[in-house]
Amino acid sequence: ETGVTQSPTHLIKTRGQQVTLRCSSQSGHNTVSWYQQALGQGPQFIFQYYREEENGRGNFPPRFSGLQFPNYSSELNVNALELDDSALYLCASSLGGDRDHNEQFFGPGTRLTVL
Amino acid sequence: DQQVKQNSPSLSVQEGRISILNCDYTNSMFDYFLWYKKYPAEGPTFLISISSIKDKNEDGRFTVFLNKSAKHLSLHIVPSQPGDSAVYFCAARGQGLTREMRFGAGTRLTVKP
Repeated sequence: ETGVTQSPTHLIKTRGQQVTLRCSSQSGHNTVSWYQQALGQGPQFIFQYYREEENGRGNFPPRFSGLQFPNYSSELNVNALELDDSALYLCASSLGGDRDHNEQFFGPGTRLTVL
Repeated sequence: DQQVKQNSPSLSVQEGRISILNCDYTNSMFDYFLWYKKYPAEGPTFLISISSIKDKNEDGRFTVFLNKSAKHLSLHIVPSQPGDSAVYFCAARGQGLTREMRFGAGTRLTVKP
């Protein structure tokens, strides 16, 4: 059973550019959630995808968008990058529909630096 | 809006002693509370959880206590080991479709040999 993987591990961009981050979910998981973790803070929920559909979104602007593919891997796209977008981006996979605590398994994250 | 707060950014304890990490929340609609542990260069890993209908859950050296009237939960680690040194995040799960989790800012635990 493979865990959650993310690519790339590190990325440097400049203001105004666009970036795509990728996540492969754990085998058998059909739900992916994306989080932004700024320095010194806890992860903040960006959005969640369940069976290729976005089914929830946190307080992030529309320039944060995503996709989930038939194999349940996912992408996070950020347009018009701003300096404050510099953060660790975490992907977490889970098995949706679980009425229990619905444990999420996190990837190691992508460290994005915007200059 | 900080619905989940961890007011202690760091905690240092001696090996073998008890570590107590605290967390406060403001939203009474959360139905599950979870603790995650994070090592550098790794994603958070699930440690232990508690349903809002319980007041205690124990798993080996780890026990989580929930005080709903005070909107407070705590994680007890006993005995503490140097390998427990990490950042601990408290998270609270909403009841909506996404089971969205709200995280605290984390507490860095250092266990000294």
